[in-house]
Amino acid sequence: DAGVIQSPRHEVTEMGQEVTLRCKPISGHNSLFWYRQTMMRGLELLIYFNNNVPIDDSGMPEDRFSAKMPNASFSTLKIQPSEPRDSAVYFCASSLARTRGREYEQYFGPGTRLTVT
Amino acid sequence: DAKTTQPPSMDCAEGRAANLPCNHSTISGNEYVYWYRQIHSQGPQYIIHGLKNNETNEMASLIITEDRKSSTLILPHATLRDTAVYYCIVIGIQGAQKLVFGQGTRLTINP
Repeated sequence: DAGVIQSPRHEVTEMGQEVTLRCKPISGHNSLFWYRQTMMRGLELLIYFNNNVPIDDSGMPEDRFSAKMPNASFSTLKIQPSEPRDSAVYFCASSLARTRGREYEQYFGPGTRLTVT
Repeated sequence: DAKTTQPPSMDCAEGRAANLPCNHSTISGNEYVYWYRQIHSQGPQYIIHGLKNNETNEMASLIITEDRKSSTLILPHATLRDTAVYYCIVIGIQGAQKLVFGQGTRLTINP
């Protein structure tokens, strides 16, 4: 069965441009997470959705970042305008948070490596 | 959520058991111990989790001490593909699903 699908896998863009990252969670999962990973800061949670509703976006660095989940099978993370410090690997993860004790069993996608020049 | 302490790096010979320790002395009664790993250039991968009892699945075993202040992840027959950074995470069941990844242990399996 397909895991979490992310696109594109690599994105190179110039400062000031809009960037849209896409994620398709595992079918049937009801929670979706966006993470960012850099050498300096490690893996950070940006935002997560439960049943398509944003629950916690406290990790979103600033207003340039926005995320949407229009339906259970698709989510986007948008950066507008992009800056060189946004260069990182962005991971999407999903989970089925219905079983007690398994709430944190998350399945990650392969990531999108973003480079902003 | 309780803080965890892991050694920054470990080595293990291929075919041997890899035992990765994690200290979580401030863990509370309703907090789980979760283990993830991240192989180079891939997303993190869930391995196993436990509350009080030892757990085993197809990937690994998790041994939690009786006082729950520490745990050990065991990869019974390590292969080169097990080379990765391993993260021990303690998180409460009343939490808001926010996994916090620390620095982890960089495990290198040597041929």
